[in-house]
Order: sequence, then C-alpha cells, then structure tokens
Amino acid sequence: DAGVIQSPRHEVTEMGQEVTLRCKPISGHNSLFWYRQTMMRGLELLIYFNNNVPIDDSGMPEDRFSAKMPNASFSTLKIQPSEPRDSAVYFCASSLDYGGPSSGVSTDTQYFGPGTRLTVL
Amino acid sequence: AQSVAQPEDQVNVAEGNPLTVKCTYSVSGNPYLFWYVQYPNRGLQFLLKYITGDNLVKGSYGFEAEFNKSQTSFHLKKPSALVSDSALYFCAVFLSGYALNFGKGTSLLVTP
Repeated sequence: DAGVIQSPRHEVTEMGQEVTLRCKPISGHNSLFWYRQTMMRGLELLIYFNNNVPIDDSGMPEDRFSAKMPNASFSTLKIQPSEPRDSAVYFCASSLDYGGPSSGVSTDTQYFGPGTRLTVL
Repeated sequence: AQSVAQPEDQVNVAEGNPLTVKCTYSVSGNPYLFWYVQYPNRGLQFLLKYITGDNLVKGSYGFEAEFNKSQTSFHLKKPSALVSDSALYFCAVFLSGYALNFGKGTSLLVTP
C-alpha cells in the first residue's frame, strides 16, 4: 500500500489567500484525522471523520478552517483567508476503526502522511 | 483528562549504549498508549502500542516499551542505540476513544 498521501508537500502563500490541502487515506480505512503541528502547541487534532462523516471538529481553530470528505478516498482541509499564524505542518492520518464512534473505543493504529508544510507570508 | 507527559526535551546517547525515552500518563480507566517517531521533514511513523496484555511491548526497529501501571509510565527503550535512531519521539494516549493526545516530544540524539 502507498500509505497516506498528502499534497502539496510544501505550500507558500500570502496572507489572505485561500489554501487547500489534500489527503488520500489508506485504502480500506474508515477513519481520517487532520492534525496540525507547531513548535508552540505541538500536535493538535483539528478534525476527525468516520465513514466520511465529520464526528469531531472541536479542534478547528475558527471559521476560516473547513474540512470535507466527499468520499472514502479523499479529504480536503481549506483555510480561507489564510493568516501568518496558520503557518505549520498539517498532517493527515487514517485508521481502520473497528469499534466505530458509538463504541467509544478505537484501538487501531493511526497512520500518518508525510505532512504539508504551510508558510503564510 | 487523558494525557501523557514527556519530561525530557532531549536525550543524548552514545551509539551502542542502551537508550530510554520517558513517558508518563494520566488516564482514567485502561490506557491505550502509543509511541511514534518523526524523522526530519517526515510524517510520524508508528513504533508500537499498548492496549492490554503483556507489559513489555515490542515494536519496530528494535524498540520496546514497558507499561508500568504502578508508576503510570510507558518508557521507550532500545538495548543498543544507532546513529540512525536520532529523531523526535512522541508518546500518545487515546483521547475520547478515537483521537490521539500527544506528548510534546523528545528529541533523541545518538552520537557516534
């Protein structure tokens, strides 16, 4: 398997521009996560999808951030408009959730993509 | 809240010596604990996990971790460090049944 695929790997943009990050999870996985990594805050969960449905978006910083998962093999994270404080590495991860959110337990491993390094000038 | 702590920002080890990267946890109920490694400009790679069962968990690249309930610890270990083990190591615990709550990371430097 190719693993989790993210694009682009690097993105440099100017403040106020729209940014779209893309993720292709591992085939067969039904859970997808978007994380953000910064020096100040470490790794933070932004949003979690299960079976293409957003389950928890409480980590999304503000309305400028939005995420979609139109099908099981593709997800996007969009920032509009972007700001310098959005500069970070954004990771997508996927897993096979045996229990489902209703069980309260998901013990399978999350596999991470290589990340997108976003720089907003 | 479910959380982990990594008390050391950096660990320095000479090649060939044993290494330990420390992690302590604070959870209610049974903890599901993970170790990940991040090489420069790369994503996080799964090393090992503890769900239940044997307290000594073996993982990738010769790493192992010992779950200690009385000390609420889950330290990562390797008997003989390699220069190529130099990386950033993250301990994590399951939060709310699906999300991972990561520690701040420990930078491991193995010198020749």
